[in-house]
Amino acid sequence: AQSVSQHNHHVILSEAASLELGCNYSYGGTVNLFWYVQYPGQHLQLLLKYFSGDPLVKGIKGFEAEFIKSKFSFNLRKPSVQWSDTAEYFCAVNPGYSSASKIIFGSGTRLSIRP
Amino acid sequence: DTAVSQTPKYLVTQMGNDKSIKCEQNLGHDTMYWYKQDSKKFLKIMFSYNNKELIINETVPNRFSPKSPDKAHLNLHINSLELGDSAVYFCASSLDGTTDTQYFGPGTRLTVL
Repeated sequence: AQSVSQHNHHVILSEAASLELGCNYSYGGTVNLFWYVQYPGQHLQLLLKYFSGDPLVKGIKGFEAEFIKSKFSFNLRKPSVQWSDTAEYFCAVNPGYSSASKIIFGSGTRLSIRP
Repeated sequence: DTAVSQTPKYLVTQMGNDKSIKCEQNLGHDTMYWYKQDSKKFLKIMFSYNNKELIINETVPNRFSPKSPDKAHLNLHINSLELGDSAVYFCASSLDGTTDTQYFGPGTRLTVL
């Protein structure tokens, strides 16, 4: 079965530290990849997405992610985090192109930033 | 000017009751979804509708029944609520349900006592 793994359940960083959150998926075909963020008490919002082209994708708020097909990975990075980045981060994969395809979410990584 | 809205935001009810959650999107999208987020923040799809037709129906108890009166609305009715139904339920929509980004509603926190 297709799955998405986020191995870091809770990451704690100080402000200005660099961030990398891991995401691996298990699907051999063409995929569309997403990172969503959920700020405390809010709904999920799209940070960035990869459909095709340049495997290094830039998103909002200084986030970027790199798609490495050979590693089935789509890690999220930010060079310098801020306190306002405290949130839950979800990696997601859409493994198909039909309307019956569905996005599979990882279990999320909670990011806590110390001011 | 909310894109995806849900009502109510909070719902507290007793076991055995029947309740509904409503969702509306004003984005002109064809596909709408219901997700359940449990206490560990794990997000799992329950249903999706494309142009009022059921497309995805995950392994969800048949106490849960989605209804889509038109493509801008997808409501979720839950019969005989159980303690394990307590969760946050998110509605989402996307343009065509394939490669497109999903836009999420604010969530409905359901607490079953």
